[in-house]
Amino acid sequence: GEQVEQRPPHLSVREGDSAVITCTYTDPNSYYFFWYKQEPGASLQLLMKVFSSTEINEGQGFTVLLNKKDKRLSLNLTAAHPGDSAAYFCAVSVGDTGGADRLTFGKGTQLIIQP
Amino acid sequence: DPKIIQKPKYLVAVTGSEKILICEQYLGHNAMYWYRQSAKKPLEFMFSYSYQKLMDNQTASSRFQPQSSKKNHLDLQITALKPDDSATYFCASSQRQYEQYFGPGTRLTVL
Repeated sequence: GEQVEQRPPHLSVREGDSAVITCTYTDPNSYYFFWYKQEPGASLQLLMKVFSSTEINEGQGFTVLLNKKDKRLSLNLTAAHPGDSAAYFCAVSVGDTGGADRLTFGKGTQLIIQP
Repeated sequence: DPKIIQKPKYLVAVTGSEKILICEQYLGHNAMYWYRQSAKKPLEFMFSYSYQKLMDNQTASSRFQPQSSKKNHLDLQITALKPDDSATYFCASSQRQYEQYFGPGTRLTVL
């Protein structure tokens, strides 16, 4: 089955600096890719989605790059602020279960923004 | 208003007992899911349902039984509870294969 490796497990950056989190996956048929943010004791908040192509999606302070050739997905926080401190998870779906497709998650990155 | 409701928020159970975790979604989605998160394991898929039909099952143990009484409900019955079942259980929903939205979770502690 699909395996997702996420790096780094812990990341500490200064406020205003950038931070990059990367996931690699194994199943070449993976089609849907997501990033979630989880604050302590809270649920998972969908940050961004990217679908099957080499694509850059930009959100509020985030950029996501998908490289299907390398089976690599990355999340780039362009100018970190204290509110970005949280755990971040990538999630991958093959999209082959008739519309109710399991997400395979990376193990997460604990991001700390230092003032 | 919360769009995905999970009850209870916290649950303490004794080994060997049985509990039901409740999930209701008001997003109008046709697919619902259960995931588990513990200190020992990352976020782990358990079940997926679409239009109240089981679509995918990653849980080896029959002690975990999803129950869907309505399209927007997907409860999780856990029998013969073990301390290893201690985790936060998240319900999620989606419209077909698109992005999944997660509920607040039920934190289960088995003593």
